[in-house]
Amino acid sequence: DTAVSQTPKYLVTQMGNDKSIKCEQNLGHDTMYWYKQDSKKFLKIMFSYNNKELIINETVPNRFSPKSPDKAHLNLHINSLELGDSAVYFCASSRREGNTEAFFGQGTRLTVV
Amino acid sequence: GIQVEQSPPDLILQEGANSTLRCNFSDSVNNLQWFHQNPWGQLINLFYIPSGTKQNGRLSATTVATERYSLLYISSSQTTDSGVYFCAVTRYRGSTLGRLYFGRGTQLTVWP
Repeated sequence: DTAVSQTPKYLVTQMGNDKSIKCEQNLGHDTMYWYKQDSKKFLKIMFSYNNKELIINETVPNRFSPKSPDKAHLNLHINSLELGDSAVYFCASSRREGNTEAFFGQGTRLTVV
Repeated sequence: GIQVEQSPPDLILQEGANSTLRCNFSDSVNNLQWFHQNPWGQLINLFYIPSGTKQNGRLSATTVATERYSLLYISSSQTTDSGVYFCAVTRYRGSTLGRLYFGRGTQLTVWP
């Protein structure tokens, strides 16, 4: 059973398109995140949701909009894609308190052409 | 935010060699994790180690939180150990609750 799963794994699209990445966790965690890994492999947080409530929005262009229909799902919608959006996007989840070990999905490699 | 520095940035080893990777962080933290990003891009949890020492097979890790560093030891390295090793820390303070601050990683290449 995959603990944190995100789809699709690869996404190739043209500039200007709108796309979504889906994420689901079956760990019963309260908190979910989106991280972006750039071409130099640096990982940086984009958003964090706790029990469907946005708690971190890390200066991300408003073309990126996360949506959490329930605490097990956190989707990422991107409008008007730009070349610079090409990266690997990771979803993660953790408990809010106590042992807050984070677990990551397999990543979505987004290529904008 | 917290600065996380990893060293060395690159490491090339022959199979069977041992190595030590270091992670320094700039402020007090509540939790620390080590990850291995394999050549397929997956981020694999190695250790959740806010303090103390843990061992898992050929890998072990030590965190000295009061001195703001952590070490990851890899013994008898194998080609499958190749990839990027990331250290990441968490600090519980208001809105930053739970977020991970990552280092830039150590790229490990193990040759047969």
